[in-house]
Amino acid sequence: AQSVTQPDIHITVSEGASLELRCNYSYGATPYLFWYVQSPGQGLQLLLKYFSGDTLVQGIKGFEAEFKRSQSSFNLRKPSVHWSDAAEYFCAVGALGGYQKVTFGTGTKLQVIP
Amino acid sequence: ETGVTQSPTHLIKTRGQQVTLRCSSQSGHNTVSWYQQALGQGPQFIFQYYREEENGRGNFPPRFSGLQFPNYSSELNVNALELDDSALYLCASSLASGEYNEQFFGPGTRLTVL
Repeated sequence: AQSVTQPDIHITVSEGASLELRCNYSYGATPYLFWYVQSPGQGLQLLLKYFSGDTLVQGIKGFEAEFKRSQSSFNLRKPSVHWSDAAEYFCAVGALGGYQKVTFGTGTKLQVIP
Repeated sequence: ETGVTQSPTHLIKTRGQQVTLRCSSQSGHNTVSWYQQALGQGPQFIFQYYREEENGRGNFPPRFSGLQFPNYSSELNVNALELDDSALYLCASSLASGEYNEQFFGPGTRLTVL
């Protein structure tokens, strides 16, 4: 069974500082990996995805993520955080097996301080 | 191109009642998935419909049921509501084509059970 672990429940960073959100997954084959962002009271917006190919993936809003198979990780990074990045971030793993199933982590809430 | 829409935005019910939530898929998509997101948690997969048939289900009891219509819109029905059913319900649509395809999420319906 697939699973996702986001070890950091809450992270606080200063505006302009760099950011790294951790994600570890468990899946038997090559995974499909995603990062979503959710603002309060909103649905999920896809930041980036990894299906295959280059292990460094660029997304929207200046985010990037690196797939490391040896570490079963897919960490999200941003070199300089803006106050508008304050939100909750979800890592997810997808699989094909009769149907498309996406399993989400429990999320990391990002707080940005001036 | 119209995105995924959901109605209503908010809903308040009492324990034991029944509720129907609605989702309109993105144009051209033939698959819809429903997720439950409890407060402070990541979304949990409820079930998926492909061409009007349920083709995958998560760990949810039978009182959670669904329908997908020929125009690929969808309903989620929950009978005998319990307090723990209070959550944000998200639907996501995608185009199933034999390969993994990205799911696009709607803004969600916030259900409160009193």
